[in-house]
Amino acid sequence: EDQVTQSPEALRLQEGESSSLNCSYTVSGLRGLFWYRQDPGKGPEFLFTLYSAGEEKEKERLKATLTKKESFLHITAPKPEDSATYLCAVQANSGAGSYQLTFGKGTKLSVIP
Amino acid sequence: DADVTQTPRNRITKTGKRIMLECSQTKGHDRMYWYRQDPGLGLRLIYYSFDVKDINKGEISDGYSVSRQAQAKFSLSLESAIPNQTALYFCATSDLPGQGMGADTQYFGPGTRLTVL
Repeated sequence: EDQVTQSPEALRLQEGESSSLNCSYTVSGLRGLFWYRQDPGKGPEFLFTLYSAGEEKEKERLKATLTKKESFLHITAPKPEDSATYLCAVQANSGAGSYQLTFGKGTKLSVIP
Repeated sequence: DADVTQTPRNRITKTGKRIMLECSQTKGHDRMYWYRQDPGLGLRLIYYSFDVKDINKGEISDGYSVSRQAQAKFSLSLESAIPNQTALYFCATSDLPGQGMGADTQYFGPGTRLTVL
């Protein structure tokens, strides 16, 4: 069974204080790992797809990295507008999970001015 | 205009009522999905459809049914709503992976907040 565990559950940062969010996963064969941002009461907004260990992607203050067991979302010099819940999801190569995303429960990030 | 739209955005109903949630997309994607989100449980797949003639159950399909009226429209019905179906419901779409590509990225709608009293 595919599993995704995100830590910490919640993170409070001062504006400008860089940090990382963790996503540990167990999947039979990884087709892709996804990061989404979700604001309260809104739908998840796609950020990144990572396909293989060693891959990195960046967007503004966010950088996602991938190993064979986990992914990190690094936030550099965050601003209050980066406050949101960040979701990680995996898609498997084959079997029952190959059509669907298995989501973690998310990390709620609060950036204090 | 949003690529994936959901109606209604909010709905309050009573136990036993039949409810339909609708999803439309202008992204031209073949694949569509329905998820529900509950606090502490994350997003879980209810049904998915890879084209108009293809409907499949997801992780938590009991108590739900779907209809794919067209490539761009996918509806979710609660035949007889019950209080534990109170949740946020999201529609998502994805395209077929390109040649040599891996996973198909899913794009989500704004959600419907459903309350069953």
